[in-house]
Amino acid sequence: QSVLTQPPSVSAAPGQKVTISCSGSSSNIGRNYVSWYQQLPGTAPKVLIYDNSKRPSGIPDRFSGSQSGTSATLAITGLQTGDEADYYCATWDGSVGGGQVVFGGGTKLTVL
Amino acid sequence: QVQLVQSGVEVKKPGASVKVSCKASGYIFTGYYMHWVRQAPGQGLEWLGFINPSTGGTNYAQEFQDRVTMTTDTSTSTAYMELSGLKSDDTAVYFCSTGAAAYDYWGQGTLVTVSS
Repeated sequence: QSVLTQPPSVSAAPGQKVTISCSGSSSNIGRNYVSWYQQLPGTAPKVLIYDNSKRPSGIPDRFSGSQSGTSATLAITGLQTGDEADYYCATWDGSVGGGQVVFGGGTKLTVL
Repeated sequence: QVQLVQSGVEVKKPGASVKVSCKASGYIFTGYYMHWVRQAPGQGLEWLGFINPSTGGTNYAQEFQDRVTMTTDTSTSTAYMELSGLKSDDTAVYFCSTGAAAYDYWGQGTLVTVSS
C-alpha cells in the first residue's frame, strides 16, 4: 500500500492528452516538492518533472506537472507510442521518523 | 557525463547478506546524496534510504532501519548498500540514484535474487 495514490492504469489515443494523478497528504505533497519519473520496460526510471513543475533539459514540453494542496498531476499532451511506460510520482514525507522519500504505486500508460 | 555503474547479479540464500556497489563518475561525488531504490518483479519503486557522501550521514526508510547499511568510499567515488537478513521478499532490482533536486541519474540496477 503506497503512501501516494496513483491510478493503476490510464490510456488514450496517439495525439491525445492524458493526465496522471498522485494523491497524498499534508505530510508529503502538501508541504514538499513532487517529482515524476518515466520507466520503460527493463530500464531505470528517468526524471520528467522535478519541483512540481520544472522540466530537466531534454524533456519535451509535452510533459508538464502541477500541484495543488495534497495532490499532484502529470499531464502528457500529443501522446506518442513511445510514451507507453510506467509513471511514478515521488516526494518527501516528514511524518515517519526523520522523514523519508515516498513513491506512488505507479501508473501504466497505454497508448491505444 | 555522469555515470553510475553498479555491481553484478547476486544470488543469495535466505538469512544471508548482500552488498551492492555503485561507482560514480563525471561529477563531484561528495556533492550529492546517494539514494538507493529497489523494485521487486512486476512491482513499483521502493526507497531504502540515502547517504551523504560528504559526511557519511544516513537516513534509512523505517522499514529497513534494522537491516540496511549504506556506506561510501570517497577515494574511489563508490557507494555501497548492504542488506542483511535476506528474505524471499527482498528479491528485486536495486538501483542507486543521485541528483541535485531529483533523481537525475540512475545506475543500471543490480538484480538480487533470494532463494533457497
